[in-house]
Amino acid sequence: QQQVKQSPQSLIVQKGGISIINCAYENTAFDYFPWYQQFPGKGPALLIAIRPDVSEKKEGRFTISFNKSAKQFSLHIMDSQPGDSATYFCAALRTSGTYKYIFGTGTRLKVLA
Amino acid sequence: ETGVTQSPTHLIKTRGQQVTLRCSSQSGHNTVSWYQQALGQGPQFIFQYYREEENGRGNFPPRFSGLQFPNYSSELNVNALELDDSALYLCASSLTSGSTEQFFGPGTRLTVL
Repeated sequence: QQQVKQSPQSLIVQKGGISIINCAYENTAFDYFPWYQQFPGKGPALLIAIRPDVSEKKEGRFTISFNKSAKQFSLHIMDSQPGDSATYFCAALRTSGTYKYIFGTGTRLKVLA
Repeated sequence: ETGVTQSPTHLIKTRGQQVTLRCSSQSGHNTVSWYQQALGQGPQFIFQYYREEENGRGNFPPRFSGLQFPNYSSELNVNALELDDSALYLCASSLTSGSTEQFFGPGTRLTVL
């Protein structure tokens, strides 16, 4: 119940294309869903986050779509750029009690120039 | 840059030894979380410290322990190292224990031989 399943494991997209990464969770107590971006040699950095009371959140080229009934959420990167090449992690958090983030296994994105 | 620093960058130890990893949080952040990130995996929550007290723990044995100091620094100690402890260890600081946003350091790469 504590797992967050992420797919695909790796993704190759042409420059200008749309990158889509999916995550699914089981625990309905989770109420905060962030996406993190990690470059080699760096720690993860918060990209965008959503709470389950909205179905979509957009920040620039990055959009989270959230489906509460299916317990799924996804990250869409529009107009993907080579600089977006990184590993992306979804995560889930229950904001009551200790803030134990549960991370997905990551998606390695490569955007071809 | 997040302003969170970690030392050392890399470390090689042998099985059975003990190791101390250090983290310096952003100024004013009274909460620090530690994560273990195995190769090709997402970060796994080890524990969180809030105002120098342990505030929650993941599924890690007692040989993983920590300290947090008033000067926004913290330590992760691992005793009786095992081969499976080889990983990237990340610390993340938050303004307070109720903050959803956490700022990761670059990590310490630990190799256990």
